[in-house]
Amino acid sequence: DIQMTQSPSSLSASVGDRVTITCRASQTISTYLNWYQQKPGKAPKLLIYAASSLQSGVPSRFSGSGSGTDFTLTISSLQPEDFASYYCQQSFKTPRTFGQGTKVEIK
Amino acid sequence: QVQLVQSGADVKKPGASVKLSCKASGYTFTSFYLHWVRQAPGQGLAWMGLLDPRGGSTSYSQKFQGRVAMTWDTSTSTVYMELSSLRSDDTAVYYCARESYYGSGNAFDIWGQGTVVTVSS
Repeated sequence: DIQMTQSPSSLSASVGDRVTITCRASQTISTYLNWYQQKPGKAPKLLIYAASSLQSGVPSRFSGSGSGTDFTLTISSLQPEDFASYYCQQSFKTPRTFGQGTKVEIK
Repeated sequence: QVQLVQSGADVKKPGASVKLSCKASGYTFTSFYLHWVRQAPGQGLAWMGLLDPRGGSTSYSQKFQGRVAMTWDTSTSTVYMELSSLRSDDTAVYYCARESYYGSGNAFDIWGQGTVVTVSS
């Protein structure tokens, strides 16, 4: 199985901050990397697919980059509604493994 | 609109089985894989398996192999996931999710609302 490792596990930030979350795959996955946002009690929501493509309707302050084994999700200016958990996921092969998640909290 | 609607919460005793449903609407049911993902309380997302509604082929996580079965009913655009020999650590929210294929990748773009399963004696 492909292991996905996210860092950090949690972070505290203020509104307006630039936030970066990283995800590393245990083997190369090209750009088969997706990012999801999850708020408490809600289903995950797709933000970024194929490492850098913004899902329709997602604000442009979210961006993704990377290929191979190392990937990044960036929120350019954190907004109050962005406080949530974020998960990376590889879709290169089954099982479709997820990172352990990053919780973004208010500082 | 495109949506996945899941069955309601369930409570089971250890050793029992649970069968959850996920009804698709607003799109061609047979054109997209459907996956099941679970989330234990306070934990992350764990992929359980997938079903291809075109012919019913499945792929399961090794973690659940032998305990999980995914089936489908094209006439009602519904996918089912049955988990047997339930243990307390199967207590979780179970999600179904549609996988869409883009030119450059594939991702879970539509999710059900989740079904809470509680396993308790």
